[in-house]
Amino acid sequence: SQKIEQNSEALNIQEGKTATLTCNYTNYSPAYLQWYRQDPGRGPVFLLLIRENEKEKRKERLKVTFDTTLKQSLFHITASQPADSATYLCALGGGRGSNYKLTFGKGTLLTVNP
Amino acid sequence: DAGVTQSPTHLIKTRGQHVTLRCSPISGHKSVSWYQQVLGQGPQFIFQYYEKEERGRGNFPDRFSARQFPNYSSELNVNALLLGDSALYLCASSWDDQNTQYFGPGTRLTVL
Repeated sequence: SQKIEQNSEALNIQEGKTATLTCNYTNYSPAYLQWYRQDPGRGPVFLLLIRENEKEKRKERLKVTFDTTLKQSLFHITASQPADSATYLCALGGGRGSNYKLTFGKGTLLTVNP
Repeated sequence: DAGVTQSPTHLIKTRGQHVTLRCSPISGHKSVSWYQQVLGQGPQFIFQYYEKEERGRGNFPDRFSARQFPNYSSELNVNALLLGDSALYLCASSWDDQNTQYFGPGTRLTVL
């Protein structure tokens, strides 16, 4: 069955440092991968989408890489701020048999300390 | 522009009851998906509708049903509620069934 793992349940870093979150998957060939931010009790907020034929995508302080050979995506937040503290979810979609649903990891809780 | 809206925000029910959750997609979006998120887990796919037709169904029992209306809004119905149905129910809309999904704020369902 499809499996998505986000490298850690929690990550603590100092303000100004780069946060790197990892998403690994098995038994899946997604057409695209998305990253979402979720604050407690709220719905996920879309951040970035990267397609299977793309290696890297950037948006302001955010960068996502996608390695379909390693079956891994890395999500970077540079110059991190306390306001970046939240749970970050990796979601895969569009692969064969997926019916275009999103399959989510459990998320990584990022805490940026001032 | 308004984002995805869901109602109600919170809901408390008892075991065996029935519940209806509602979702209005972003204007122009024709696809609506429903997800269940229990505490500490990522969202789990329940249904996807596109142009009023069911396009996908997750691994949920027949107690869960949904539909999409001509104006693309959607309802999720859950019958014979169980304690384990307590969760945050999320609705997401997208322009079609292959693009970025934008989530609403969710409905927090508590089953006592």
